Amino acid sequence: AQTVTQSQPEMSVQEAETVTLSCTYDTSESDYYLFWYKQPPSRQMILVIRQEAYKQQNATENRFSVNFQKAAKSFSLKISDSQLGDAAMYFCALNGGSQGNLIFGKGTKLSVKP
Amino acid sequence: DTEVTQTPKHLVMGMTNKKSLKCEQHMGHRAMYWYKQKAKKPPELMFVYSYEKLSINESVPSRFSPECPNSSLLNLHLHALQPEDSALYLCASSPLFRVGTDTQYFGPGTRLTVL
Repeated sequence: AQTVTQSQPEMSVQEAETVTLSCTYDTSESDYYLFWYKQPPSRQMILVIRQEAYKQQNATENRFSVNFQKAAKSFSLKISDSQLGDAAMYFCALNGGSQGNLIFGKGTKLSVKP
Repeated sequence: DTEVTQTPKHLVMGMTNKKSLKCEQHMGHRAMYWYKQKAKKPPELMFVYSYEKLSINESVPSRFSPECPNSSLLNLHLHALQPEDSALYLCASSPLFRVGTDTQYFGPGTRLTVL
């Protein structure tokens, strides 16, 4: 069975600082994608960044980057120069099953302090 | 453009009512999804349509009835719901380039309250 674990229910960061959200996963698939989604209080699930498992290079999107450790099955999200608008629930997700459905972690609630 | 639209934004209904949720995408995606999300929880998959055919039904009660009239539209028909069905209902779509390694794009959701 595929699983995704986010061990940090809540995190807090000072504005302009850097924060790292953790995610570990388990899958028997060799070809899969990993995602970080952001869900602000407005509730829309927004794709932040994705990583293809067969790519060794870590994905980056502006202030967002990942540390993908395939052997350790770890996929952390680093947010640099944190902004007030980054405050949200962040979900780590895995897509690798034959059915194509996403497996979500329980989420990490990020607060940004001014 | 990675936009998925959902209507209505909010819906309040009684347990005897019949209502429908609507989802639309114009990205040419061939897979569409319905999720249910309770407060402070991750989304739970309900249904998946691939090429307009129902491919996954996660043992959802029959009071929820999905429909995919065409490749751009996805409906969720609601009938005789229970108060515990109150939740945020999210729609998503994906290109389906390769099953199992697809990126899903979500709509803004419909907040449903069942009285």
